[in-house]
Amino acid sequence: GEKVEQHESTLSVREGDSAVINCTYTDTASSYFPWYKQEAGKGLHFVIDIRSNVDRKQSQRLIVLLDKKAKRFSLHITATQPEDSAIYFCAVNVGDNSKLIWGLGTSLVVNP
Amino acid sequence: DMKVTQMPRYLIKRMGENVLLECGQDMSHETMYWYRQDPGLGLQLIYISYDVDSNSEGDIPKGYRVSRKKREHFSLILDSAKTNQTSVYFCASSLGNSGNTLYFGEGSRLIVV
Repeated sequence: GEKVEQHESTLSVREGDSAVINCTYTDTASSYFPWYKQEAGKGLHFVIDIRSNVDRKQSQRLIVLLDKKAKRFSLHITATQPEDSAIYFCAVNVGDNSKLIWGLGTSLVVNP
Repeated sequence: DMKVTQMPRYLIKRMGENVLLECGQDMSHETMYWYRQDPGLGLQLIYISYDVDSNSEGDIPKGYRVSRKKREHFSLILDSAKTNQTSVYFCASSLGNSGNTLYFGEGSRLIVV
């Protein structure tokens, strides 16, 4: 079945630097690629998504890139701040769009 | 207010006891979900509900059942809890079922002893 691999389990950056988290997927039919953030002891919160009809999307300091040929998408957080520290999950839709397959998460630590 | 509320937040049960986890949302979202989150396994979908009394198994439905009698409420029931059901359970909701944003609750931590 469809798999999503989130390549970095942990990532540590200095405040102000950029952070990049990479995910790869297996199903060429996937068309929706969201990212979620989870702070300690909390639920997940949507941060940004991208659909297969574009290859780049930006929302303030967040950029998502999609490479359909490589079946890879990435989250770029620019000018990181300590409050960006959290676990970030990528996901990919399968079958009907309401079902998502999730990566295992990347724990991002932004050091002041 | 765009909120998903889960109750209870923490629960300790003995093996064999029944467990009821409740979830409510105030956004009139048609679709609701129950996930469990375990270290090293990520988020696994237990059940998905497309509307009242329209429920579908997810990837790991065994040992669980659900109930959705009102659009704003979605319950997860464990009949005779097992120790391997110790986990953090998340409820989520979304508008429609076409790849829209999921809104998550804060989670219910269940320990089965």
